[in-house]
Amino acid sequence: GAGVSQSPSNKVTEKGKDVELRCDPISGHTALYWYRQSLGQGLEFLIYFQGNSAPDKSGLPSDRFSAERTGGSVSTLTIQRTQQEDSAVYLCASSVSRQSYEQYFGPGTRLTVT
Amino acid sequence: GNSVTQMEGPVTLSEEAFLTINCTYTATGYPSLFWYVQYPGEGLQLLLKATKADDKGSNKGFEATYRKETTSFHLEKGSVQVSDSAVYFCALSVLLYNQGGKLIFGQGTELSVKP
Repeated sequence: GAGVSQSPSNKVTEKGKDVELRCDPISGHTALYWYRQSLGQGLEFLIYFQGNSAPDKSGLPSDRFSAERTGGSVSTLTIQRTQQEDSAVYLCASSVSRQSYEQYFGPGTRLTVT
Repeated sequence: GNSVTQMEGPVTLSEEAFLTINCTYTATGYPSLFWYVQYPGEGLQLLLKATKADDKGSNKGFEATYRKETTSFHLEKGSVQVSDSAVYFCALSVLLYNQGGKLIFGQGTELSVKP
């Protein structure tokens, strides 16, 4: 079946602009995660959704970052007023449930802020 | 807090050589442990996992044993191939209500296998 998909695959934006990154998880997966992969910070957790709810947003790097999930499916990660330090690969993963240990990753969105 | 430390790379081996990539962890509670692999130009893939002490995870000739006494989860393969060239990430997960099964990753080890 289809895996996790993310769009766009690449995004180049000017500093100060807003960007929206999209994740389509595997159908039926109730848990969804966002991570960021950057040279300086490695792979870091950003936020977790169970259904449409994100119980803890403390992993988001700043208040310029927000995320939502609708219909228990698609999720969007929005970065407002982008900064150069936001440049990274943003990864989305989904799993069958919160208790499932197997997370399936999407190919990522490479964000470059110029 | 929870953390993972893995040996730095890059690691360069000849084909058919023995591979060990060291990974140690610090965790509260009872973590599950994972190795993920990222092949060039591809996304992260789960390679193997172990969910409790003394479990051995294995896949594609790779093995790792969950050692609670040494807080380690070293990755091994007896005979590497060129196709094993990739970046390998050790990770742990402790289930939390507000963060689900979030993964905490090591810094990654790049493996290059030469023919």
